[in-house]
Amino acid sequence: DVKVTQSSRYLVKRTGEKVFLECVQDMDHENMFWYRQDPGLGLRLIYFSYDVKMKEKGDIPEGYSVSREKKERFSLILESASTNQTSMYLCASSSPQSLLDFGPGTRLTVT
Amino acid sequence: QKEVEQDPGPLSVPEGAIVSLNCTYSNSAFQYFMWYRQYSRKGPDLLMYTYSSGNKEDGRFTAQVDKSSKYISLFIRDSQPSDSATYLCAMGLVGNNRKLIWGLGTSLAVNP
Repeated sequence: DVKVTQSSRYLVKRTGEKVFLECVQDMDHENMFWYRQDPGLGLRLIYFSYDVKMKEKGDIPEGYSVSREKKERFSLILESASTNQTSMYLCASSSPQSLLDFGPGTRLTVT
Repeated sequence: QKEVEQDPGPLSVPEGAIVSLNCTYSNSAFQYFMWYRQYSRKGPDLLMYTYSSGNKEDGRFTAQVDKSSKYISLFIRDSQPSDSATYLCAMGLVGNNRKLIWGLGTSLAVNP
């Protein structure tokens, strides 16, 4: 019953490293999302993709980029990780009319 | 004014209690309303959703929407320790799930 998977549950990286977070969905969904979740701030949208190679900035895109080369895969890239990017990262997917299915999350710590 | 307000709790109740979780919102244009349940260190799972005012029931869970008051609720009857989680409300416009608005979540602990 696999739906949305994320490459790592826990990740520890050093400041300045380039970090890749991978997300794969098996529901043939057009839309994919990257959120981060922080205490007191809730879920904040980083990037959204509505088709292969198509992306839109979310509310907090600074310091992040994304890649969607295949429909089922959406990658989040931290070009140069910083300590303020320590967070829980959640990937989600949906069809345009459906509700979001979330992955299990990646807890990233940047030291 | 925030677009959605949700009391973060924590809320602690004894097993078997009726739990009421609430969100208020400011944008009267919202068309659909969701509740997600998130266990510790996991991703959120969709629990219930509704497109209209009124009540929607699913087992021990009832989602209630009052569009005139801009107020939504989730009721849990006969609460169980397995209901211990954070409950997130979310709302949006049909066909535009890129613009979902999320509550901060309410942390619930059901004590055996």
